[in-house]
Amino acid sequence: GAVVSQHPSRVICKSGTSVKIECRSLDFQATTMFWYRQFPKKSLMLMATSNEGSKATYEQGVEKDKFLINHASLTLSTLTVTSAHPEDSSFYICSAPVISYNEQFFGPGTRLTVL
Amino acid sequence: GDSVTQMEGPVTLSEEAFLTINCTYTATGYPSLFWYVQYPGEGLQLLLKATKADDKGSNKGFEATYRKETTSFHLEKGSVQVSDSAVYFCALSDSNYQLIWGAGTKLIIKP
Repeated sequence: GAVVSQHPSRVICKSGTSVKIECRSLDFQATTMFWYRQFPKKSLMLMATSNEGSKATYEQGVEKDKFLINHASLTLSTLTVTSAHPEDSSFYICSAPVISYNEQFFGPGTRLTVL
Repeated sequence: GDSVTQMEGPVTLSEEAFLTINCTYTATGYPSLFWYVQYPGEGLQLLLKATKADDKGSNKGFEATYRKETTSFHLEKGSVQVSDSAVYFCALSDSNYQLIWGAGTKLIIKP
């Protein structure tokens, strides 16, 4: 199967700072990646669709200036949480579809804690 | 729009019990259907999938059949183990590969 990695797995930061989360497809190219947020004991909420070489598509209610997405290459998408606040604390997950498998592959997630 | 509804948890069973987690969907097209599992402290893993009506997905003793007539994709396992304790998500995928998620069902298996 295809492998998606995320880095870091956990990050703790102070309120007001920015945090970058990387999502990499290790053994395939991904023109599209998805970023999700998962609240405790809740399902996944799609935040945005990251498109290589073009702007990300954000879901309704997601602030694009706060959650900056860059998909600069076919194997890397980054999510930057700018000026983080405690309410941004969450589990962030990325995924990438592999058409030949007709499914998405998920990264292991990043636990963000904002103090 | 498309949606997925799955039974609320937690579901608590004894080891070796029969498991059913219900999942129904609404969709305008012909989606693919998935069950994902999230073990404590871990990321999401695909458990099984079905891409067309009457397909049966199976893995690790779990099964689910794509029922177009009842718009369902119920997850079943004949004999659960403590190691099956996890959160199970039902999902459908549209033509753009975006996943629509159910709320998740926490499964607790007691020895």
